[in-house]
Amino acid sequence: GQQLNQSPQSMFIQEGEDVSMNCTSSSIFNTWLWYKQDPGEGPVLLIALYKAGELTSNGRLTAQFGITRKDSFLNISASIPSDVGIYFCAGPYAGNNRKLIWGLGTSLAVNP
Amino acid sequence: KAGVTQTPRYLIKTRGQQVTLSCSPISGHRSVSWYQQTPGQGLQFLFEYFSETQRNKGNFPGRFSGRQFSNSRSEMNVSTLELGDSALYLCASSDPGLAGGYETQYFGPGTRLLVL
Repeated sequence: GQQLNQSPQSMFIQEGEDVSMNCTSSSIFNTWLWYKQDPGEGPVLLIALYKAGELTSNGRLTAQFGITRKDSFLNISASIPSDVGIYFCAGPYAGNNRKLIWGLGTSLAVNP
Repeated sequence: KAGVTQTPRYLIKTRGQQVTLSCSPISGHRSVSWYQQTPGQGLQFLFEYFSETQRNKGNFPGRFSGRQFSNSRSEMNVSTLELGDSALYLCASSDPGLAGGYETQYFGPGTRLLVL
């Protein structure tokens, strides 16, 4: 199936460090979504972006909608142990808001 | 409000069998979507139901089917199971309130299916 290109695949960092991850596509997206999945749980929406160039924050998380509309970035500042999990980017397939395409995820491990 | 619930949480089947998974959406949510999650392919959209009708469909074979009941609860069925069907099956519900906007999907914990 179709996927978004998400990198890095995994990260292992020290508590307190900042984290950056990104997602790219060969197609234009009108909405970019960032989710986090904890072990044994379903994904939870962190941030939704609707406009090219938009920069949105949710606590220590900041996400940006790329100007080209083909990429998005997620930053986590001052990481803490509970940030551990898999972070996914997602976007609506062909403008269908109910049919999402997903990246393969960035697995984040935080060393306390 | 209670979250999205999925039953069973774990299931082991053998090739050729069929399986039915159940999803109860958040109260008041009328849209239910199903996804298959595997390490190699990530999350893949299966289908979406709204008001008992399939509204969107992904690129999965006809062995994968679903339905939605009048109380918005949904089931998905996989017939003639194959080894490659081993995956985490996630259900998500949303409330189509805003026309044209993205409706936040709330995911259940998933059903982990192992096919032997």
